[in-house]
Amino acid sequence: KAGVTQTPRYLIKTRGQQVTLSCSPISGHRSVSWYQQTPGQGLQFLFEYFSETQRNKGNFPGRFSGRQFSNSRSEMNVSTLELGDSALYLCASSPRLAGSQKFYNEQFFGPGTRLTVL
Amino acid sequence: KQEVTQIPAALSVPEGENLVLNCSFTDSAIYNLQWFRQDPGKGLTSLLLIQSSQREQTSGRLNASLDKSSGRSTLYIAASQPGDSATYLCSPLGAGNMLTFGGGTRLMVKP
Repeated sequence: KAGVTQTPRYLIKTRGQQVTLSCSPISGHRSVSWYQQTPGQGLQFLFEYFSETQRNKGNFPGRFSGRQFSNSRSEMNVSTLELGDSALYLCASSPRLAGSQKFYNEQFFGPGTRLTVL
Repeated sequence: KQEVTQIPAALSVPEGENLVLNCSFTDSAIYNLQWFRQDPGKGLTSLLLIQSSQREQTSGRLNASLDKSSGRSTLYIAASQPGDSATYLCSPLGAGNMLTFGGGTRLMVKP
């Protein structure tokens, strides 16, 4: 079974530009979550998409947005880039089981996209 | 708001030692807790998942325990090897399918 894939793996942008990152979850998984990892703040939750709807959002400005397609693939967009947006962006895939199965929801991470803002 | 603390922040040991990594969290309303490994510049690799009703989970040389009521989890690594060198992260899963992370424990195992 293929793992979580993220593209591109590396990006270099300048301040003010926008960027779109892509994540393809494990086949059969319908939930995709995004996390930002920086040396100063560690790993922080951005948002989660399930069944093409944003279900949960972390404490990030509106410049960070996302969407999910019918095949569960997800994209994350950052507009008006700032230097502080330089980070490793990770996506996590999970089956998002419900009811008594929710205790088995295991998260699987992709390799990440390294974004550098100059 | 869930907060996660991992102790120690860094650990350097000779090969062959048995290790204990500690994790504490403030909100016991969790579904499960995962331990991850992260190599520099890479994504997270899931090592173990413990459901909130479980006390222990084992995989090879790794054993994780969970005491949900006291907000603690421990990862034991037996007979450490240089290949175990990485950052280890524990993360409870809460409502909204959201993981919360602490700062991790950076482990170096010397040959």
